[in-house]
Amino acid sequence: AAGVIQSPRHLIKEKRETATLKCYPIPRHDTVYWYQQGPGQDPQFLISFYEKMQSDKGSIPDRFSAQQFSDYHSELNMSSLELGDSALYFCASSFNSGGSYNEQFFGPGTRLTVL
Amino acid sequence: QQQVKQSPQSLIVQKGGISIINCAYENTAFDYFPWYQQFPGKGPALLIAIRPDVSEKKEGRFTISFNKSAKQFSLHIMDSQPGDSATYFCAASMRETSGSRLTFGEGTQLTVNP
Repeated sequence: AAGVIQSPRHLIKEKRETATLKCYPIPRHDTVYWYQQGPGQDPQFLISFYEKMQSDKGSIPDRFSAQQFSDYHSELNMSSLELGDSALYFCASSFNSGGSYNEQFFGPGTRLTVL
Repeated sequence: QQQVKQSPQSLIVQKGGISIINCAYENTAFDYFPWYQQFPGKGPALLIAIRPDVSEKKEGRFTISFNKSAKQFSLHIMDSQPGDSATYFCAASMRETSGSRLTFGEGTQLTVNP
C-alpha cells in the first residue's frame, strides 16, 4: 500500500539559512499534519491542513510557514534556521470523512541538522 | 504541561512475557486514543486505537484497555518478542470535522530480551 512520502530524507543547513520540506500524502487523503520530534522526545504538533486550508495550529515558530497545494501535497518552509531547529520532522496524512476518527499515518520523516 | 502522561519511561521484559504501558489524560474532550510504535530513525506506525465508548479492544497480541471514569488507558503486549523492542507512544485527539492533532505521551522504550 502507498505510504506518506517525505523529501528530502536528510537535510543539513547552516544557521540563518532556509529549508523547505515536502510531504506527499497517501492517495485520496485530504488532511496533512506536520510534527517535530527532538531526540528522545515525543512528536510535537506544528500545523495541519484540510482541503488546502489551515485547520489547526500548534507550537509552530513564526519563522516557519506551510501550505497545502491543489494536489494535496504540503510544504513546510523554515527560515532563519537556528541550532534548536535540528530535529526529525514528520508529516502525517489522514482521510477526513467528516465525523469519523481520523487515523493519522506518518511518513518516514526528514532529519534536519542545523550547523 | 504534558496533557497525556505515560509510564513507565522504560520497560524491560523477557521474551514471552507481557508488556504493560499506561497512559492518563486530563482533557475530557479527548475522544480518540491511538498507540504508535516507533523504531529509531523511523516514523511512528499506528498499532491500535480505541474510542471511549468501548472498554477494551484487541488486535492480535495487542490489547488496549480503557477506563473512561479514571481517564486512563493502557496497552498490553502479550507474548512479547524481541522484534517488539521499540518506543511506544500513546496519544489522544479530539474529533473535529477538519482533522484532529495528536497529543502524545512522553513515550516508553520497550526492550524485550531473548
